Amino acid sequence: SQTIHQWPATLVQPVGSPLSLECTVEGTSNPNLYWYRQAAGRGLQLLFYSVGIGQISSEVPQNLSASRPQDRQFILSSKKLLLSDSGFYLCAWSVRTAVSNVLTFGAGSRLTVL
Amino acid sequence: KNEVEQSPQNLTAQEGEFITINCSYSVGISALHWLQQHPGGGIVSLFMLSSGKKKHGRLIATINIQEKHSSLHITASHPRDSAVYICAVRSATGANSKLTFGKGITLSVRP
Repeated sequence: SQTIHQWPATLVQPVGSPLSLECTVEGTSNPNLYWYRQAAGRGLQLLFYSVGIGQISSEVPQNLSASRPQDRQFILSSKKLLLSDSGFYLCAWSVRTAVSNVLTFGAGSRLTVL
Repeated sequence: KNEVEQSPQNLTAQEGEFITINCSYSVGISALHWLQQHPGGGIVSLFMLSSGKKKHGRLIATINIQEKHSSLHITASHPRDSAVYICAVRSATGANSKLTFGKGITLSVRP
């Protein structure tokens, strides 16, 4: 069966510090991978998605970047965090077919920037 | 105007009640998703539907494409149903199609 792992679960970082959130998927190959952010009182916002190794699409201009060094690994990074980067970050994957686009989410990473 | 609107924003029910959560959208879609987010933050996909009705246990999801409206029904509600219920729509098919999410509805079921 497929599983998705996301870490760390909770992170408190000072403004200006770097960030690295990691997500890995098991039990599937060639998944579509996504990073979402959920800010307080707002819906989920797609930050990045990837359809393959090294292929990253950015949805919104921001202080963050994403990388996919391996087929089932997706990393969210920042060189210098801003206060506005605080939020709940969710990694997700879906099967790469047009028929089934059901998303499976990781447990999320709660980032607080102080 | 948001593309996906959910109502009511907050909902409190007594255990055993029949609950309806609504979702309206303003764009043409290929599919609509209902998601459940537990207090810890984890999200579970409940349904994906593009027409008609789907049922899983005590949950029923319906969609009316012409009216651009979907409902999620919970029968015989239980306190463990307390969660945020999120509606999301997919506007195109293909690997790079994107989901637009509603803000979610917070449901509290009292024992």
